Amino acid sequence: DTAVSQTPKYLVTQMGNDKSIKCEQNLGHDTMYWYKQDSKKFLKIMFSYNNKELIINETVPNRFSPKSPDKAHLNLHINSLELGDSAVYFCASSPTSGRGNGELFFGEGSRLTVL
Amino acid sequence: QQQVKQSPQSLIVQKGGISIINCAYENTAFDYFPWYQQFPGKGPALLIAIRPDVSEKKEGRFTISFNKSAKQFSLHIMDSQPGDSATYFCAASKYNQGAQKLVFGQGTRLTINP
Repeated sequence: DTAVSQTPKYLVTQMGNDKSIKCEQNLGHDTMYWYKQDSKKFLKIMFSYNNKELIINETVPNRFSPKSPDKAHLNLHINSLELGDSAVYFCASSPTSGRGNGELFFGEGSRLTVL
Repeated sequence: QQQVKQSPQSLIVQKGGISIINCAYENTAFDYFPWYQQFPGKGPALLIAIRPDVSEKKEGRFTISFNKSAKQFSLHIMDSQPGDSATYFCAASKYNQGAQKLVFGQGTRLTINP
C-alpha cells in the first residue's frame, strides 16, 4: 500500500501552460506539504496544510496555488509555467500529536519538465 | 540565506569505513534535527533524528552527534555498505500550528565502493 501517492510521476509541458499535480495520503495524517527539489537536489518547502487550513506559505510565485479538498488530499496547480519551474515536486505528510515526532513521509515525487 | 549548511557535497568511502557528514544551523529556535536518505527516483525517507536536549543518538550503524553550543550536528555511518550509497540530507525544523517546517541542507551524495 502506497502511503503518499502523487500523480503524475512525470509531466512534460510547454511554457505558458497550466498543469496540476495531485497528492493523496492514506496514513491518517492531518498535515500535508509540498516541497520543490531543484536540479541541484536542493529541497525547499513551498506550502503546508493542517486539516485543510493553510499553515505555511513560503515565498512562492502566486502562479502556484495549492488546494486541499480534505485532509487526505493536497493538490498543486501551476499557471503560466516557466522554464524555472522545472523540478521534482514532492508531496509529504506528517502526524499531528502535540509537538509531533517530526517525521515527514514523502511521496516518490512528480518530475515536471517545462520546454 | 542558507539556514542549514551541509558538507561535504559528495563523499566516497570504502566498504567497511566510516562515513561522516556535517551540518551547521543558524536559528536557535529549531527544535528537531532529522537526517533523511534519498535514493534515485525516490522521495526522502527519515533515517534518524535528534532533539537538542540530547548530545548523541545511535540507531544501529547510524549515529547523530549534536553540539548545541556550536550549533552543529553530524551523521556517522559505521561499517559503511554499498547499499548505503544515496544522497543524505540534514534538516532542522520548528513545530508550529501542527506543521513541521523542515529546512534542509544542500545534500551529500555518498558513494560506498565495494
